[in-house]
This record gives sequence, C-alpha cells and structure tokens, in this order.
Amino acid sequence: GDSVTQMEGPVTLSEEAFLTINCTYTATGYPSLFWYVQYPGEGLQLLLKATKADDKGSNKGFEATYRKETTSFHLEKGSVQVSDSAVYFCALSVGSGGYQKVTFGIGTKLQVIP
Amino acid sequence: DGGITQSPKYLFRKEGQNVTLSCEQNLNHDAMYWYRQDPGQGLRLIYYSQIVNDFQKGDIAEGYSVSREKKESFPLTVTSAQKNPTAFYLCASEPTGGTNYGYTFGSGTRLTVV
Repeated sequence: GDSVTQMEGPVTLSEEAFLTINCTYTATGYPSLFWYVQYPGEGLQLLLKATKADDKGSNKGFEATYRKETTSFHLEKGSVQVSDSAVYFCALSVGSGGYQKVTFGIGTKLQVIP
Repeated sequence: DGGITQSPKYLFRKEGQNVTLSCEQNLNHDAMYWYRQDPGQGLRLIYYSQIVNDFQKGDIAEGYSVSREKKESFPLTVTSAQKNPTAFYLCASEPTGGTNYGYTFGSGTRLTVV
C-alpha cells in the first residue's frame, strides 16, 4: 500500500539554522505531495504542495522538490525562526476509484531555540 | 473569513456514552473528512463525504458514525462501540473530492474518556 516515511523527531535547531526534514514515499500511480504544519493545540495547515515530478512547492520561506527518482519530498528552509516550532506532516494523494486517497506521515516535531 | 469550525474544543465522555462532534464549514466545499490523530501514528481516516447525503467509510470506521444532511455540516458520532476513543479528532474539507487542492482543517476536538 501507499506509505509516507518521516522521522518523528524532535528536531532541535538554533534560530537562523538551516532546516531539512526528510520525507520519502511509496505509492502506486503518480501521487501529489504535500507538507502540512500543525501548531500546538491546532489543526493542520497546508504549507506547500507539488503535483508532478520536478515541481517545487514553496511558501513562507519553506520549499520542497518532488523527486520521482528518489521518491522523496524533503522540506527545507534556509533560516528558521522560533515561530517555526511546530509539527510538520508530509502527505501524498493518489487517485483510487474516483477518490483521492491521502496518506499522512507520522509528523516531525521541530523545536527552534533562541 | 471562511473556514471550518469544530466544537467543542474539549469533550469528556463516560464509558458507554455516545458523543457527537460538530464540524461546520462556510467554504462551499463539497468534500469533507474526519481524521483521528494519535501520538506517533499520524492521521487516520475515519469517514469521508464527497457530496451531500453520501459518505464512505475510511480506514478506521468501526465504532463511529456520520451524517451529511447539509453541505456545510458533517457531524461525527463516537459510539460506545469504539473501545479506545481518546484522541484528537480533526475535520477537513476541500472544494471537491478527487482534486489535489489540499485540505483545509478545523482546529480539532480533543476527546477524553473518563
């Protein structure tokens, strides 16, 4: 079946450090890929997405490139801030019988310290 | 502003009780979803609805029920048959099912069995 693999963390970084959160996937068909962010006690918010190979999604300084050859969609940011502390979820969406089935990773907790 | 409203934010259930979680959206979205979030397990799909008066079971539907009588509303009932209901419940929507628009989530309901 479809799956998304990401480390649970926590990932702890100092402010202004470079961030990479790895995400790899297995899927039948041609998935679309997403990153969502969840702040404490809140629901998830769509951060960025890419719908085909080599697409780059970007938003709020975050970016991720859809790499079909390595089945990866790693999230990066050049300089993190304390306000980026949250849980980040990688997800894929694949068509299945007229319905786009979405599979989420377990989420990676990011802690940014001043 | 449009969005998804989940209520209540916190809910306590006694053993053997049914409880209903509310989800209302004013985004004019056709598709709505219920997910359960547990630590270390990511999000798991309970039920989804792509159109009014129609809904489908997700991966973990046992012990849950839903209705979709209005486009704006998709309430979830956690029945006494759900043996381990303590979790964070998230409602989501998207313009139509089968697209890669990405989900809009509510802020969640935390259910605790007492």
